[in-house]
Amino acid sequence: KNQVEQSPQSLIILEGKNCTLQCNYTVSPFSNLRWYKQDTGRGPVSLTIMTFSENTKSNGRYTATLDADTKQSSLHITASQLSDSASYICVVSPFSGGYNKLIFGAGTRLAVHP
Amino acid sequence: DAGVIQSPRHEVTEMGQEVTLRCKPISGHDYLFWYRQTMMRGLELLIYFNNNVPIDDSGMPEDRFSAKMPNASFSTLKIQPSEPRDSAVYFCASTGERGDTQYFGPGTRLTVL
Repeated sequence: KNQVEQSPQSLIILEGKNCTLQCNYTVSPFSNLRWYKQDTGRGPVSLTIMTFSENTKSNGRYTATLDADTKQSSLHITASQLSDSASYICVVSPFSGGYNKLIFGAGTRLAVHP
Repeated sequence: DAGVIQSPRHEVTEMGQEVTLRCKPISGHDYLFWYRQTMMRGLELLIYFNNNVPIDDSGMPEDRFSAKMPNASFSTLKIQPSEPRDSAVYFCASTGERGDTQYFGPGTRLTVL
């Protein structure tokens, strides 16, 4: 069964600290992997998209990595800010599928405290 | 650009009533998606359109759900009759090309009593 599992389920860090969120997937083969940020009461916003051949992609203080051999991805947040408090969702698109086959993780809820 | 626009933002209705959710995609985007998000099931893709044509509605939970896209700038998701288990946040998203970034609207929070 194709699955996307994220860890931890929730995380609390202090402002200014770094953190890393994990995404393990069993989808194979896959077309691309995306990380979205969802603020409370808002729609998800894309942070990064990586194809199976890419190892890393950055967007400001957000850096996503991908290891297609171990089927793992991580999202690293540097020098966290209060505005980073949100849910982060990992989404995998199978190679053969259209959009209907997007596999969503349950998300990691991050809280950044002052 | 105003982004993806959804209305209403909040809807409270009673079981058995018809509910219509509306979406205006970003101008020029030719893919439109309807999602549902709940605490239990997370984000689920319900249906998507390409150039106003429904491509796959396999995510639509039941016949009570229907979606239309009469033109490139407007889509509706209708639930008739609504049930309490339909309570969720419904998102509309659009994108210009397959594989490109999807832009989500603010969502409609539906509560069915």
